[in-house]
Amino acid sequence: NAGVTQTPKFRILKIGQSMTLQCAQDMNHNYMYWYRQDPGMGLKLIYYSVGAGITDKGEVPNGYNVSRSTTEDFPLRLELAAPSQTSVYFCASSYGTRDLQETQYFGPGTRLLVL
Amino acid sequence: EDQVTQSPEALRLQEGESSSLNCSYTVSGLRGLFWYRQDPGKGPEFLFTLYSAGEEKEKERLKATLTKKESFLHITAPKPEDSATYLCAVQATGFQKLVFGTGTRLLVSP
Repeated sequence: NAGVTQTPKFRILKIGQSMTLQCAQDMNHNYMYWYRQDPGMGLKLIYYSVGAGITDKGEVPNGYNVSRSTTEDFPLRLELAAPSQTSVYFCASSYGTRDLQETQYFGPGTRLLVL
Repeated sequence: EDQVTQSPEALRLQEGESSSLNCSYTVSGLRGLFWYRQDPGKGPEFLFTLYSAGEEKEKERLKATLTKKESFLHITAPKPEDSATYLCAVQATGFQKLVFGTGTRLLVSP
């Protein structure tokens, strides 16, 4: 199993450009998540999904969009990049139910620089 | 609001010098407390999950314990390869989301 994979590893964007961060998992997990990690800050949840076709906002969703058409894939879209979106982005997945969340497994991250 | 505070922010140890990292939390109802290890430039790697006060889990030189207000990650006779950032996160009852602390950066010198 490859686990959770993310592409690209690193990207530089100009202000106002758009891009999609890709995330895929092969563990048949129903839950998937997007976090951002800034220096000195904890991981902040951007969006999450409890299954194909179902997504919900996390703590910091502004400026981002997600979709989940398959169990395996959970792309994150930045429509109009801003310097405040410079960060490292992590995708994660887990098995979960309404009352229980098992271990979240993380991808290697995408480092994004907006200039 | 659910909160997680980790201390110290950074810790430097000599090889073989045991110590503990602290994770204090406030949560409406604890469903689980998670410890992760993160190496520079990589994603967090799962270490332990603790579910109830009094629970303990061990893995090699690491031992995690849980009380009603905090968790400790004890590192016994650390080696340089234990150098990493250690993250703590909590899941509140009824929620699918984790709340993370800011981590403790551990450096173990030979």
